Amino acid sequence: KQEVTQIPAALSVPEGENLVLNCSFTDSAIYNLQWFRQDPGKGLTSLLLIQSSQREQTSGRLNASLDKSSGRSTLYIAASQPGDSATYLCASDNYGQNFVFGPGTRLSVLP
Amino acid sequence: EAQVTQNPRYLITVTGKKLTVTCSQNMNHEYMSWYRQDPGLGLRQIYYSMNVEVTDKGDVPEGYKVSRKEKRNFPLILESPSPNQTSLYFCASSTAWNEQFFGPGTRLTVL
Repeated sequence: KQEVTQIPAALSVPEGENLVLNCSFTDSAIYNLQWFRQDPGKGLTSLLLIQSSQREQTSGRLNASLDKSSGRSTLYIAASQPGDSATYLCASDNYGQNFVFGPGTRLSVLP
Repeated sequence: EAQVTQNPRYLITVTGKKLTVTCSQNMNHEYMSWYRQDPGLGLRQIYYSMNVEVTDKGDVPEGYKVSRKEKRNFPLILESPSPNQTSLYFCASSTAWNEQFFGPGTRLTVL
């Protein structure tokens, strides 16, 4: 059964820093991997989706990479801003819509 | 506006009283899912549907039912709610192998 973990559980950085969030998964037979953002008390917003045949995806200051062989994905946030403060979740799609989520990384960007 | 809607957003009920949480999407997505989110346990998939009349169990289906009679709707049914079903519930939809779009969530309390 797929297990998804995220490190660190929480992170606090000063504004302007570049940072990396990590996601690991035990079963490399995934269809895709998706990164989400969740603000307190709110729903999830999709940030990036990486198909299994891709190595990375970029959107603005965000870059996500995928290494299926090692079971790892990273989310890189450049020039962090206080508005980036949220919980970041990764999720793997293993069997076509059978998604498994990681526990999330809670990010605080201090002004 | 493309969106996933859920109703109700908040619900307090008592043990054993049947309830339905509705989910509707206006993006003509084939795939729809239900999740629950609990502190310390993260997001877990309850049921998913790949198309009309096609549903399958996720990781935590016990105590829940779903139906997919129309493409746009995917209601979650709790026939006899219990306190351990107190949670934050999310509905999501997507096209095949693409990013999921989440609803705003339904906070359910079962007394």
